[in-house]
Amino acid sequence: ETGVTQTPRHLVMGMTNKKSLKCEQHLGHNAMYWYKQSAKKPLELMFVYSLEERVENNSVPSRFSPECPNSSHLFLHLHTLQPEDSALYLCASSQGAQGLDTQYFGPGTRLTVL
Amino acid sequence: AQSVTQPDIHITVSEGASLELRCNYSYGATPYLFWYVQSPGQGLQLLLKYFSGDTLVQGIKGFEAEFKRSQSSFNLRKPSVHWSDAAEYFCAVGARNGQNFVFGPGTRLSVLP
Repeated sequence: ETGVTQTPRHLVMGMTNKKSLKCEQHLGHNAMYWYKQSAKKPLELMFVYSLEERVENNSVPSRFSPECPNSSHLFLHLHTLQPEDSALYLCASSQGAQGLDTQYFGPGTRLTVL
Repeated sequence: AQSVTQPDIHITVSEGASLELRCNYSYGATPYLFWYVQSPGQGLQLLLKYFSGDTLVQGIKGFEAEFKRSQSSFNLRKPSVHWSDAAEYFCAVGARNGQNFVFGPGTRLSVLP
């Protein structure tokens, strides 16, 4: 699946580092999402952007900061993370941000916080 | 808000056997329903979706799912499992009146040779 790409695929960082995750979609969609997938927990929706405006923020700690400069790109800026933030971070996009809009996922970034 | 349960955390079947993965949802109206599959180290891939009409939905890779309103269920089936079907399967529900989209906890499928 090359419709949604994510870089890097793997990231190891210390708790004092600052890093960013990048997502790019080539599908002409208007909505983009960040999800966190931890072991033995359901997928957690973190942020939703529609037409480059944030429309949903599910009580995510401020050490995660999203940025959507245009409808094709989505970033997740990370700073002073905790070990419990280690997880697979998935990006998705959809035509719109409604319940009927099929979401297409990237391969994810495996983040390890030491 | 809607919710989704997948009662089986882990299922093991033999290659060639039939498969049924259960999904139950809670929502005040008929929701939009989806099944996704996630292979190890990969993102999620859409298998099939139900919006309206025929309650039996055909998807990719030989999968199908049946929407049963009376049971609030959307179970995924495959008549003959292949070793490559070993993966994590997620049921998801989208709200008709808004932007809510919720995933179930997932069912991990193992396939025995």
